Amino acid sequence: EAQVTQNPRYLITVTGKKLTVTCSQNMNHEYMSWYRQDPGLGLRQIYYSMNVEVTDKGDVPEGYKVSRKEKRNFPLILESPSPNQTSLYFCASSPIREWREGRSKETQYFGPGTRLLVL
Amino acid sequence: GDSVTQMEGPVTLSEEAFLTINCTYTATGYPSLFWYVQYPGEGLQLLLKATKADDKGSNKGFEATYRKETTSFHLEKGSVQVSDSAVYFCALSPPPFTQGGSEKLVFGKGTKLTVNP
Repeated sequence: EAQVTQNPRYLITVTGKKLTVTCSQNMNHEYMSWYRQDPGLGLRQIYYSMNVEVTDKGDVPEGYKVSRKEKRNFPLILESPSPNQTSLYFCASSPIREWREGRSKETQYFGPGTRLLVL
Repeated sequence: GDSVTQMEGPVTLSEEAFLTINCTYTATGYPSLFWYVQYPGEGLQLLLKATKADDKGSNKGFEATYRKETTSFHLEKGSVQVSDSAVYFCALSPPPFTQGGSEKLVFGKGTKLTVNP
């Protein structure tokens, strides 16, 4: 079954304690991304990756790190979590679009989400 | 920068009522437009999409038409069901060669829909 998995699904931690949220996809997608969802703000992109060893900042990257050592995995790292990082996090993946046609033909597949509470 | 504005919720309807959720966007060039749905406790699922002006996306009785002249992509359904209760997100994906990556999705804030029996 084609899917994006995230672990853990729920996490309560304390300020300053490093944590990693894993994301894995089994669809051989080049593109992967992390979003956070906050009430009244919708989803905002944190980081994205176009392929192995290629990552870049999204709209709200402060306080986060990512790595892309393998195509299937894209972990999100919070080196020193703070309460303002309490949120619902989603990982997503998709194939890279056909550039020649200049149109988005591909769907992004989302993981089930990780709910993080930082005390 | 690119942005999406969708109507504020929550929206509460009775079963079989007509649904419209408004969505307008600001973007350069020709973005692709999407509606995603999030059922309670779940991740986002693509509901429908349109990639060029006048395209109509449709799925599960929902429809939305890409209107370049009004920069809109309103979601409609003729007769909602209790099972349609969810949060709906309008989103766009910038055109190719856009700085920041054109696979990026820019989301609206979401509209919560509750359908009562």
